[in-house]
Amino acid sequence: ETGVTQSPTHLIKTRGQQVTLRCSSQSGHNTVSWYQQALGQGPQFIFQYYREEENGRGNFPPRFSGLQFPNYSSELNVNALELDDSALYLCASSLGWGPTEAFFGQGTRLTVV
Amino acid sequence: GQQLNQSPQSMFIQEGEDVSMNCTSSSIFNTWLWYKQDPGEGPVLLIALYKAGELTSNGRLTAQFGITRKDSFLNISASIPSDVGIYFCAGPQNTGNQFYFGTGTSLTVIP
Repeated sequence: ETGVTQSPTHLIKTRGQQVTLRCSSQSGHNTVSWYQQALGQGPQFIFQYYREEENGRGNFPPRFSGLQFPNYSSELNVNALELDDSALYLCASSLGWGPTEAFFGQGTRLTVV
Repeated sequence: GQQLNQSPQSMFIQEGEDVSMNCTSSSIFNTWLWYKQDPGEGPVLLIALYKAGELTSNGRLTAQFGITRKDSFLNISASIPSDVGIYFCAGPQNTGNQFYFGTGTSLTVIP
C-alpha cells in the first residue's frame, strides 16, 4: 500500500458537467502529479503541483485545472466534460520535483455519458 | 511528446518460466521506473533505476539500463500466477518529476 488515497473511486457524469477529484499524498511527500489513463493505454501526464504551485503541465486543455493545499493534498477539476474524458485518473505523490520515485493511488474511474 | 515503446506487447508463459521485457525511447534517460498495474488499480512501483550499468533487484525482479541508456530491461525469474498484470516502464519528462509511460506489456501466467 502506497499511502496515496483518491476519492471517489468511481464516478459517472453527464457531458458538459464539471467534476472534482481528490488525492491525499503519502506522508512526507510534497509533490503531486495527475495522470489520465485511457483504457488499454499508459498513463498520460496532466500536471504536477509542487509546494502548492503548478510545476509543469502536459498536453491538456485549460478546462483541466488543479489545486494543491498546504497539507499537500490535491484536487483535479475538469470543466465542460466531454465523452473522451472518460478514463482512470491517477494521482502520484513524490518527494521533491526531480525525477524520483512516484507512488500512485488506486485511481478514480470517471465515466462521462 | 516522448514515445516509449515496450515489447513484447503481450506474453503468455507457463508458471515457473523466466520473463524478459524491454522498453525503448528516442531519448537518453538517466532514470527509469518500472511499474506493475492490475486491472482497475493504480500502478505499483517495482524497481527504480538511477545508475547505468548496475543491475537493480527486487526479489525475483531485476532491471537495468540498456547500453545506450535509451532502453531498459525488466526480468522476472520463476514466474508465479500473481505476476499477472500489465508492466509499464516510465522515464522522466524534461527535468521535473513528470514521467512518460510506455505502451505496456501484458503478462499472463498459465498455472
